[in-house]
Amino acid sequence: EVQLLESGGGLVQPGGSLRLSCAASGFTFSSSAMTWVRQAPGKGLEWVSSISGSGGNTYYADSVRGRFTIFRDNFKNTLYLQMNSLRAEDTAVYSCAKHPGIAAPIDSWGQGTLVTVSS
Amino acid sequence: QSALTQPASVSGSPGQSITISCTGTSSDVGNYNLVSWHQQHPGKAPKLIIYEGSKRPSGVSNRFSGSKSGNTASLTISGLQADDEADYYCCSYAGSSTPVVFGGGTKLTVL
Repeated sequence: EVQLLESGGGLVQPGGSLRLSCAASGFTFSSSAMTWVRQAPGKGLEWVSSISGSGGNTYYADSVRGRFTIFRDNFKNTLYLQMNSLRAEDTAVYSCAKHPGIAAPIDSWGQGTLVTVSS
Repeated sequence: QSALTQPASVSGSPGQSITISCTGTSSDVGNYNLVSWHQQHPGKAPKLIIYEGSKRPSGVSNRFSGSKSGNTASLTISGLQADDEADYYCCSYAGSSTPVVFGGGTKLTVL
């Protein structure tokens, strides 16, 4: 059974940093592209960032490029999102998701971790 | 990186059929047969219900079907049931620089 378990969320002040983790199990992690998606309170899904299975290719939404960094450790089966220069508008539940390839559809989702940016 | 366009809400009575549209552009929906649909119940993680426009993952009811014409994809739910009440999101591949783009989501109410 595929399991994706996010952690690392919390309350952070504007301008601060946070690192999210996504522990994966139940599938061949290194063969799967991974994606971070966020959902602000009462809003829809927003793509944040994706990474290829090898980690060699990364992709970012314009809203986070230059502030967020996605990376993975295929030995630890863990996906990360380093978030710097956080803004109030980054407040959301952040979920990790897997897909067979970068062009393939997301086929499994985690439950998410809440990030709140506020002073 | 513009979001795909979905109606904010749709509704239907039990047993009826409804269709949710998802309009993109020739750079995403119209250029690839890579539209997926995801169902999200309140407080729950989304669930894939349609991929590659019209394919259903194992275990998904055949009451869910998908199609595409030009830049618009559609999700049809037939024989509406109370448990179908949820938010539905379309998603498309949009090229090598934007692998994922979502629609704004549609809230389905079963009357």
